[in-house]
Amino acid sequence: DIHLTQSPSSLSASVGDRVTITCRPSQSFSTYLNWYQHKPGKAPKLLIYATSNLQSWVPSRFSGSASGTDFTLTITSLQPEDFATYYCQQSYSSPYTFGGGTKLEIK
Amino acid sequence: QLQESGPGLVKPSETLSLTCNVSGGSLSRGINYWTWIRQPAGKGLEWIGRFYFGGIPHYNPSLKSRVTISGDTSKNSFSLKLTSVTAADTAIYYCAGGNAAGTFDPWGPGTLVTVSS
Repeated sequence: DIHLTQSPSSLSASVGDRVTITCRPSQSFSTYLNWYQHKPGKAPKLLIYATSNLQSWVPSRFSGSASGTDFTLTITSLQPEDFATYYCQQSYSSPYTFGGGTKLEIK
Repeated sequence: QLQESGPGLVKPSETLSLTCNVSGGSLSRGINYWTWIRQPAGKGLEWIGRFYFGGIPHYNPSLKSRVTISGDTSKNSFSLKLTSVTAADTAIYYCAGGNAAGTFDPWGPGTLVTVSS
């Protein structure tokens, strides 16, 4: 199984800040990395698929990228509605696996 | 939209059965892959498995011997059965739609299932 290490596990930031969340797989692959946003009591939502493709509802302050073996989710100019838990997920090989999550909290 | 339903409490060694009702679309058209995912308290998300009409279900090897996922087009729903449950199966269970590329969208809001006597 591919293990995904997400960092940090939690993050305090202020409205307007830029934040970066990293997802490091236990074995290298390209493209097949997805990001989800999850707010308490709500259904998780697909945010970014195939490394860098934004879902239609996602504002342009969100972006996804890859560098070396790592994948990154970046949010520029945080907005109040962005405070949530974010998960990466690999769809490169079965069984599909998720990172441990990053809880983004208001400072 | 997806909505999970089923018992919130299951006894150890019994079978956990959940249903995911699909509204606003057809189970057999559009979204092709129907998936179950779970999250034990304080732990990460775990993919349980998925199926698609006309194909063979695909399960997480860690659960394969105990899991069955199937669909019912007449009810526009799909189901999860997990046999011989233990306390380790206590989790929030989510159903989700998806595609061949292995993304999951949309998700249901999740339902908590507790395994306890």
